[in-house]
Amino acid sequence: EVQLVESGGTLVQPGGSLRLSCAASGFTFSSYWMTWVRQGPGKGLEWVATIKQHGSEKHYVDSVEGRFTISRDDARNSLYLQMNSLRAEDTAVYYCARGTSSFFAGWFDPWGQGTLVTVSS
Amino acid sequence: EIVMTQSPATLSVSPGERATLSCRASQSLNNNLAWYQQKPGQTPRLLISGASTRATGIPARFSGSGSGTEFTLTISSLQSEDFAVYYCQQYYNWPLTFGQGTKVEIK
Repeated sequence: EVQLVESGGTLVQPGGSLRLSCAASGFTFSSYWMTWVRQGPGKGLEWVATIKQHGSEKHYVDSVEGRFTISRDDARNSLYLQMNSLRAEDTAVYYCARGTSSFFAGWFDPWGQGTLVTVSS
Repeated sequence: EIVMTQSPATLSVSPGERATLSCRASQSLNNNLAWYQQKPGQTPRLLISGASTRATGIPARFSGSGSGTEFTLTISSLQSEDFAVYYCQQYYNWPLTFGQGTKVEIK
């Protein structure tokens, strides 16, 4: 069974840093694009960042470019999101999601259960 | 950035009726469009990729159609478990973008 389990979400002060992790199992992790998507309280889905197989490409939404870094450790079947200079508007549930095994990032399936990041003083 | 616009924002439907949800892109996507379902308190679930291909385990009452800039998700006969929020997402170009969602509620 394909599983994605996020961790690392917590309450953090504005300007602070946080590292989210996503542990993957049940598939060949290194063969897939991987993505972070977030959902603010009562809001819709917002794509955050995507990393290609082997980390050869990384893409970010403009609002996090330069503050967040997506990375992966294929040996550990893990995806990460380093979040720096956090702002109140980064408050959201962060989902890890698997992309395709193709040359394009594609759709997201499946999704993890999410981890809550709250940025507040 | 490709802007995705979903309509209506809320759709009130009786069980057993057909629901038709629309998604419009600000530029052509070819068929690079996905649909997701999110029930309250749950994680999103992929329904459709490639504009019309149902994901594994998705019932046949869900169908996707369209190409270019206009796409439709149709639920042929709404079941109680189908009341949820539905999102479209384009993967034609960076940044990847979602529509704002359509809530399907019980009439």
